[in-house]
Amino acid sequence: SQTIHQWPATLVQPVGSPLSLECTVEGTSNPNLYWYRQAAGRGLQLLFYSVGIGQISSEVPQNLSASRPQDRQFILSSKKLLLSDSGFYLCAWSFGTGAYEQYFGPGTRLTVT
Amino acid sequence: AQTVTQSQPEMSVQEAETVTLSCTYDTSESDYYLFWYKQPPSRQMILVIRQEAYKQQNATENRFSVNFQKAAKSFSLKISDSQLGDAAMYFCAYRTSEGLVFGAGTILRVKS
Repeated sequence: SQTIHQWPATLVQPVGSPLSLECTVEGTSNPNLYWYRQAAGRGLQLLFYSVGIGQISSEVPQNLSASRPQDRQFILSSKKLLLSDSGFYLCAWSFGTGAYEQYFGPGTRLTVT
Repeated sequence: AQTVTQSQPEMSVQEAETVTLSCTYDTSESDYYLFWYKQPPSRQMILVIRQEAYKQQNATENRFSVNFQKAAKSFSLKISDSQLGDAAMYFCAYRTSEGLVFGAGTILRVKS
């Protein structure tokens, strides 16, 4: 069966510091991968998605970037964090771009101070 | 662009009773997919049910069922025999070619 991991689970970072959140998927090959952000008490907003190694599409202009160095690894980064980057970050995967539902990781709670 | 609206910020239901959560969406596509996700206090997003727009039959998963009204662009979730473990935030979502578009969510409280 497939499993998705995210780390760290929680992170507190000062404004202006760099960020690296990691997501890995086990038990499948060539997954589509996604990064979402959830502000407190709100719905999820799609940030990035990837259909293959090195292929990243951005949905929202922001202070963040994403990379996919390996088939089942997806990384969310920032060079300098802003207060507005605080939130709950969720990684998800799916089998393809069609009807397939997405399965989510446990998430990372990021607080920028 | 597709939008998803959940007009009920919060709902309450008595244990063993039935509750319906509302969702409407806007799209110009004729074939699409809709989902309900549950987010308990752990914040893990859990898939509850999915509906293909080309299917007229409403999806059902155990105590969870949907009322899909394509012409009205409505996709409500019915939870029967509510249990304490159903207490969570519920999100309606529309599948685009890029990813999921989510509604703002409905908090469901279950009273014992």
